[in-house]
Amino acid sequence: EPEVTQTPSHQVTQMGQEVILRCVPISNHLYFYWYRQILGQKVEFLVSFYNNEISEKSEIFDDQFSVERPDGSNFTLKIRSTKLEDSAMYFCASTLGIYRTNQPQHFGDGTRLSIL
Amino acid sequence: DQQVKQNSPSLSVQEGRISILNCDYTNSMFDYFLWYKKYPAEGPTFLISISSIKDKNEDGRFTVFLNKSAKHLSLHIVPSQPGDSAVYFCAASGSTGNQFYFGTGTSLTVIP
Repeated sequence: EPEVTQTPSHQVTQMGQEVILRCVPISNHLYFYWYRQILGQKVEFLVSFYNNEISEKSEIFDDQFSVERPDGSNFTLKIRSTKLEDSAMYFCASTLGIYRTNQPQHFGDGTRLSIL
Repeated sequence: DQQVKQNSPSLSVQEGRISILNCDYTNSMFDYFLWYKKYPAEGPTFLISISSIKDKNEDGRFTVFLNKSAKHLSLHIVPSQPGDSAVYFCAASGSTGNQFYFGTGTSLTVIP
């Protein structure tokens, strides 16, 4: 069964440094998402991406965050200047359907980001 | 702003018995609901979903019930198996957008 893959599985970065988290969504999926889960808390939506542009973003997704689909397969999340509170599990997800069709999101196994 | 709530952080059930996991939501615009299962060090795995036009959806041992008037859904697992031990997340989305709102999860332990 096709999977969403994320790399690296664990990223340790100094505060203030830039970090790029990478995802390869399922190949025929059209919608891509980033979520994060701070330890012990709920999974929180960050951003959705469709047709090479952001379709929705949460208040968490401020100017320090950006997303990109640099080629036909990768979907990246960049944090420009990391803060301690950015430490979390970051999950990438993708969906087959177009906007507002009821389709489950398929998640990768996440990247644990640790900011020192 | 917790639009999706799972008030039980944990649940223990004997193998073979029924597990019932509960979820409440506040946003009446939600019209699509899902349950995800998560093992440690893995991402959430889709389990079962239900749209607001139905009140029940069944898939093997898993059944989701939706009570729109109470803004409540539940996941029934019967019979429960030790491999079902995981964290279960309820999620919802609505006509206002395509993002999913997740609950805080319920950790299910099925005791052999």
